[in-house]
Order: sequence, then structure tokens, then C-alpha cells
Amino acid sequence: DAKTTQPPSMDCAEGRAANLPCNHSTISGNEYVYWYRQIHSQGPQYIIHGLKNNETNEMASLIITEDRKSSTLILPHATLRDTAVYYCIVTYLSVNTDKLIFGTGTRLQVFP
Amino acid sequence: SAVISQKPSRDICQRGTSLTIQCQVDSQVTMMFWYRQQPGQSLTLIATANQGSEATYESGFVIDKFPISRPNLTFSTLTVSNMSPEDSSIYLCSVQEHQNTGELFFGEGSRLTVL
Repeated sequence: DAKTTQPPSMDCAEGRAANLPCNHSTISGNEYVYWYRQIHSQGPQYIIHGLKNNETNEMASLIITEDRKSSTLILPHATLRDTAVYYCIVTYLSVNTDKLIFGTGTRLQVFP
Repeated sequence: SAVISQKPSRDICQRGTSLTIQCQVDSQVTMMFWYRQQPGQSLTLIATANQGSEATYESGFVIDKFPISRPNLTFSTLTVSNMSPEDSSIYLCSVQEHQNTGELFFGEGSRLTVL
């Protein structure tokens, strides 16, 4: 079962920051938070991941609360091409449990 | 990043038949997975394809229905057996280049329609 809760949909104006929340209140100390997105008719694409600290890469920033029970994915300047379903996933990383379980995700619509 | 090719990209099949989907990766990878995505739904993990041994199936999926092979580190197949219309889905192959990273690469998927 997915261990995360995300809003089913969000809208964002082009050029503005898109802030996508994720609740993972039952996260364990050694579980990571991963974000993927799936643009229509394509396979999912990795965006970013983190454990405790905030992370940033060329695509997005990941803000994890101090208690690690929630996180926010930030797309700093959303474009129309960012319209997609965004999945927040919590997982261990180990030899025996190296797999990702996808939840229902958030459908982000970026409008002009 | 790994480049994944899936064949067929789409197919229309008759009820009761079986179809094998191939997944070819352009580099050796540690982990390979098969997912299913039913229309309008999220992805569901079917199984982990283990090189040289039987696949590890998730709850609700069995080997008789979804036999999987992985003869080497770059190739895997998923067979959907005795298909019914409920098997109409997109089937996606995904790989992890380095163990314990959680970063998966996905193929474009194989869209199956069962009549």
C-alpha cells in the first residue's frame, strides 16, 4: 500500500511556482521520499529524492519538514510542459526492498 | 541514463490468447521491474525480474498469469497469459542502474487492448 497522501489535482499559472504537497505521516527513520512525474502517454520520470535535508536540482526543489511527516515539491517556474501527474513515494533502499510503490499522485495543470 | 526499448509498443489481442512483451536496455542494470497501469489509474508493481532466477511477484500477481524471464542484465520479458478484457492496460518496464538509489528509468510502455 502507498504510504503517502497527495491532493488529486492542482492548478498553477505558467511562470509561477508550483508547490505540490505530500503527507507521509507514518514514514520511518530510514525511508526516503521520492518524486516522479508522468507526462501523458509517457513513462514516469524521476525528479528528485531526499531523506532529511532539503534538496535541489535542475528540475525542482524538495522541502522536507523537520519531523519528516510531510514534504513539498517545488517547481520554481512552471511551464506548460510541466503539466503531468506527480507522484510522491516513500521507500526503503535496501537489497531486499529495492522497489517503488506508486500512489494516486497529483495531477498538475499548468495554464497560460 | 539507461535507454529502454519495449516491444510491442501497442497491440490488440483476442481473449484467451497470450502476448509476450520484451524489454531491452542499452546497458547492464542491477534491477528490472514490471508495472501495469490500467486506464486512468496509477502504476501497480507486478514483479521484480531477477536475473537467472524466478521473478518476485507482488500480492495479487502470480507466475502462471504473468510469467517473467530475465536471462541477462539487459533483457527481460513479461508474458500476459490467457488474456481477458480486464488485462487491457499499459505494461511498463523499468530499470535501476545502480542498486539502492531508487532512481528508476521507464520504458514508454506497451499498450495492450484485449477484445
